[in-house]
Amino acid sequence: GAGVSQSPSNKVTEKGKDVELRCDPISGHTALYWYRQSLGQGLEFLIYFQGNSAPDKSGLPSDRFSAERTGGSVSTLTIQRTQQEDSAVYLCASSVTGGEIYGYTFGSGTRLTVV
Amino acid sequence: LAKTTQPISMDSYEGQEVNITCSHNNIATNDYITWYQQFPSQGPRFIIQGYKTKVTNEVASLFIPADRKSSTLSLPRVSLSDTAVYYCLVALRGYSTLTFGKGTMLLVSP
Repeated sequence: GAGVSQSPSNKVTEKGKDVELRCDPISGHTALYWYRQSLGQGLEFLIYFQGNSAPDKSGLPSDRFSAERTGGSVSTLTIQRTQQEDSAVYLCASSVTGGEIYGYTFGSGTRLTVV
Repeated sequence: LAKTTQPISMDSYEGQEVNITCSHNNIATNDYITWYQQFPSQGPRFIIQGYKTKVTNEVASLFIPADRKSSTLSLPRVSLSDTAVYYCLVALRGYSTLTFGKGTMLLVSP
């Protein structure tokens, strides 16, 4: 597609439930990133994919968080047993190779609310 | 990665020039300076990038002094639609993970 697409745009879930967030990067972009942004805060890096592998997943806050990428394209971020502190906007970005800083294109994010 | 410091917020009026300064005292020789803009309910968007001296594009100018320990993003004749958060980032070109601070919230009033 023309841009990075994320779905759903909004998600309300009950505490303890699992959620899956989806990211469709720009076609041909090999690098894909997940960030999290809490209310009034900056962006917090979660994980970086190059192709289907994740050379940097140092930002995942706990083992409840996992992500995968298949076919070098779509990525899914899964949060198990959600907690209220997981409430945030989850942003996905992609770039052609991962090496050019200016090439990051972000999606509009998924707003997750855990009640 | 070099740490950056920028004002939490700035106010301006339509038609004025806005300069947002970012400090990055421990910038490394091969680091580049990049600015992103973020509107409410959207992801950040690349504005401009530079290494030294001055860079200009259709959106903004970026001024970088010789010691590169700071940089200034200049927005000419701002409009209400320039109200956004502006992030200054310093990272090695080719480094894959960007670290965002809290940015500068620019509010443009009529």
